[in-house]
Amino acid sequence: NAGVTQTPKFRILKIGQSMTLQCTQDMNHNYMYWYRQDPGMGLKLIYYSVGAGITDKGEVPNGYNVSRSTTEDFPLRLELAAPSQTSVYFCASQDRGSEKLFFGSGTQLSVL
Amino acid sequence: EDQVTQSPEALRLQEGESSSLNCSYTVSGLRGLFWYRQDPGKGPEFLFTLYSAGEEKEKERLKATLTKKESFLHITAPKPEDSATYLCAVQAPTGNQFYFGTGTSLTVIP
Repeated sequence: NAGVTQTPKFRILKIGQSMTLQCTQDMNHNYMYWYRQDPGMGLKLIYYSVGAGITDKGEVPNGYNVSRSTTEDFPLRLELAAPSQTSVYFCASQDRGSEKLFFGSGTQLSVL
Repeated sequence: EDQVTQSPEALRLQEGESSSLNCSYTVSGLRGLFWYRQDPGKGPEFLFTLYSAGEEKEKERLKATLTKKESFLHITAPKPEDSATYLCAVQAPTGNQFYFGTGTSLTVIP
C-alpha cells in the first residue's frame, strides 16, 4: 500500500514551458486535492476533485488545469510556466466520510 | 482574510522542556480543526481532529485542545524526534476546502 505517490520529486522549468505533475493513490479515495506551499505561507488549495470526472477550483487555480479520469489519478497541468509558480506542490487524498487528508511527498518546482 | 493564524513561527526547546503551540481561527461554523506534522522534504502527516470546544486529544507527548476561538498543541517533555513543523487547519463550513496556517517550526535540542 503505497498511499499517495507524486512524480517527479524535483523539476526545473524555463518560463513558458509546460509540464504535468503526476499524482496517484491506491487507497480508493474519492476526494483528491492539489496544494501549493510557499515559504511563510500556508498550504493553498489549487484544485480538488470529489470523484472521477468531477473537478473544482480552489483558492489559487489560475495558471493550472486538472483532470480526473480515474479514481486513482489526479494530474496537475501547468501550460505556460511562470516564475510565480515556483513552489512545492502537494497532492492529497481523502476517503469519503473521513476528515483525514493523506499527502504525497511533494514536487519541488522551480521556474527560471 | 486569514482563516488560521499560528504562533509562534518558530520555537526552540531543550529536551524535556514542555511548551504549547497556538492556532487561532476565524471561520464560523467550524466543522473540524486539524493538526498535522510535517518533516523536512515530506508531506504533512495527520495528527488530530477536534470538533467542539472543550474537546481534547492525546498522542504520546502531544495533547491538542480546542476552545471557541483557538486550539493549543501541548508538547510535554519533548524529545529531539519531535522536531518538525506543526500545521493547523480548519475545514470550510461547506464544501471540501481546508484552510491551513503557516505552521510552527519546532526544534528540540538534546
